[in-house]
Amino acid sequence: TQLLEQSPQFLSIQEGENLTVYCNSSSVFSSLQWYRQEPGEGPVLLVTVVTGGEVKKLKRLTFQFGDARKDSSLHITAAQPGDTGLYLCAGGSQGGSEKLVFGKGTKLTVNP
Amino acid sequence: KAGVTQTPRYLIKTRGQQVTLSCSPISGHRSVSWYQQTPGQGLQFLFEYFSETQRNKGNFPGRFSGRQFSNSRSEMNVSTLELGDSALYLCASSFSPLNEKLFFGSGTQLSVL
Repeated sequence: TQLLEQSPQFLSIQEGENLTVYCNSSSVFSSLQWYRQEPGEGPVLLVTVVTGGEVKKLKRLTFQFGDARKDSSLHITAAQPGDTGLYLCAGGSQGGSEKLVFGKGTKLTVNP
Repeated sequence: KAGVTQTPRYLIKTRGQQVTLSCSPISGHRSVSWYQQTPGQGLQFLFEYFSETQRNKGNFPGRFSGRQFSNSRSEMNVSTLELGDSALYLCASSFSPLNEKLFFGSGTQLSVL
């Protein structure tokens, strides 16, 4: 069974601070997705990374896929209250024969 | 383009009852997946339907079932409800069954008393 461990589980910071959250597994994934979920809503896809070592930037968010495609990180620069939410990583298997495996998420609170 | 629509948003049931949840995917999307989300277990995959056929099934008891109609709309049913079935049930649609971009609905919050 493929498992994704996310850390930290909870993170509370002040506006303007930087942060990094992690997504780790002992399994290799063909792709890694990051979602953000706000209270009362479903997850919204932020990015998909598919190549080992790949780095993608989305404004103040930087996503990295590990060289071995077993781990990923999300770095947020100068966090804002609007970044508050549950950040979920999800690993995909090659060929799409199995559905995405989700981590339990990092609950981020950015205080003004 | 309308997003994924799930109904109802909230549901309160008692143990032993059954419940049916509905999901309308984005127009043109033919793949629908269902997930159960709880604080302790996170998102767990229930099943996936494509072209009215169940393509994958997660590790849930047979009390959990689903189906997909010819218009791609999907329903899931939970029979003989247990307290532990209290959760947010999320539906996600995608154009195809491949592990590509999933569009999630807002979910149905089920409380079993």
